[in-house]
Amino acid sequence: GAVVSQHPSWVICKSGTSVKIECRSLDFQATTMFWYRQFPKQSLMLMATSNEGSKATYEQGVEKDKFLINHASLTLSTLTVTSAHPEDSSFYICSARDHSGSISTDTQYFGPGTRLTVL
Amino acid sequence: SQKIEQNSEALNIQEGKTATLTCNYTNYSPAYLQWYRQDPGRGPVFLLLIRENEKEKRKERLKVTFDTTLKQSLFHITASQPADSATYLCALPPTSGTYKYIFGTGTRLKVLA
Repeated sequence: GAVVSQHPSWVICKSGTSVKIECRSLDFQATTMFWYRQFPKQSLMLMATSNEGSKATYEQGVEKDKFLINHASLTLSTLTVTSAHPEDSSFYICSARDHSGSISTDTQYFGPGTRLTVL
Repeated sequence: SQKIEQNSEALNIQEGKTATLTCNYTNYSPAYLQWYRQDPGRGPVFLLLIRENEKEKRKERLKVTFDTTLKQSLFHITASQPADSATYLCALPPTSGTYKYIFGTGTRLKVLA
């Protein structure tokens, strides 16, 4: 089955530092990857959609200069939280869309998530 | 705009019973609908996809129905076990011209031993 990995699984950093989170699709090519943020006991909140080789599309209210997204290849997307502050502490989840041309495989597969804690 | 709703925030059932979760949507005619499971501190895991022309789909103890007239999907877990305790999310595919999936808020299921 389709597997998406995410690294690191957790990170603790000091306020003001930048943190990079990697998302990889291991056994399929993902032309589209998504980045979500989730607060405890709340639903997924889409932050941005990234397509390989082009600029990410950010959701309203998400600062593109703060959350830098790079989708450099068909299997790798990165999210960099720049100048992190305690309010950026959250659970970040990436997903990759397996769109092989048929409905049965047009599915979004999620990574295991990254827990970011900013002190 | 498209809207998706899942029944109740939490559902408690006794082990061995059938759990039934509901997903309703409006302002949309999706070609398919998906169900995911999410455990605390983990990303969602894909469970099942059901197409608009499929009334029912099964996978082991899971059964999903899709009623496009009622704009509703039901997700059943038969012979439920404590290990089935998790949050279950339904999701609609992107509408034409967009990439954004539409997720419900999820239903937290707790199976009591």
